[in-house]
Amino acid sequence: GENVEQHPSTLSVQEGDSAVIKCTYSDSASNYFPWYKQELGKRPQLIIDIRSNVGEKKDQRIAVTLNKTAKHFSLHITETQPEDSAVYFCAAGTNFGNEKLTFGTGTRLTIIP
Amino acid sequence: DTAVSQTPKYLVTQMGNDKSIKCEQNLGHDTMYWYKQDSKKFLKIMFSYNNKELIINETVPNRFSPKSPDKAHLNLHINSLELGDSAVYFCASSQRGGYTFGSGTRLTVV
Repeated sequence: GENVEQHPSTLSVQEGDSAVIKCTYSDSASNYFPWYKQELGKRPQLIIDIRSNVGEKKDQRIAVTLNKTAKHFSLHITETQPEDSAVYFCAAGTNFGNEKLTFGTGTRLTIIP
Repeated sequence: DTAVSQTPKYLVTQMGNDKSIKCEQNLGHDTMYWYKQDSKKFLKIMFSYNNKELIINETVPNRFSPKSPDKAHLNLHINSLELGDSAVYFCASSQRGGYTFGSGTRLTVV
């Protein structure tokens, strides 16, 4: 089955700087890669996703890149703000997300004011 | 109007009891899931239903039994609760992509 590794497990960044979280996956059949943000005590919420036919996607301050050959994908947050502090999860799935998602172990991001 | 709603939000119960968690989605999605999030925040799939049919059943003790009366509802019944069942249980639904999660049920077994 799919195995998703996520690094780092914790990340502290000065407000205004950029944050990068990296994930690798094992199943070459995976074609859907979403990222979720989970604030303390809340549900995970989808912030951005990318499909395997695209190498990069951007939405305002967040961007995701995908390298299918190396089987890794990354989340980039620019101009970080205190409200970006949360746990971020990457995930990988097949059938464009219509089957199960396998989640990474999460990255606790702390933005230092 | 909540898209995926779970009840109850908190559940504290004694070992050996039987309990149920309910989930409903009003998004018209075909697929619903149960995920377990442990104390280390790891999210692991338990079950998946597509249009009332079980399609994924991960290695979960058979004390856990999901039921989907229709495609908008997916309930989880747990028999003979154990201390290790303490976790947050999330319901989710999806249609062609990203999941929408419910607000979670924090189950504490004492």
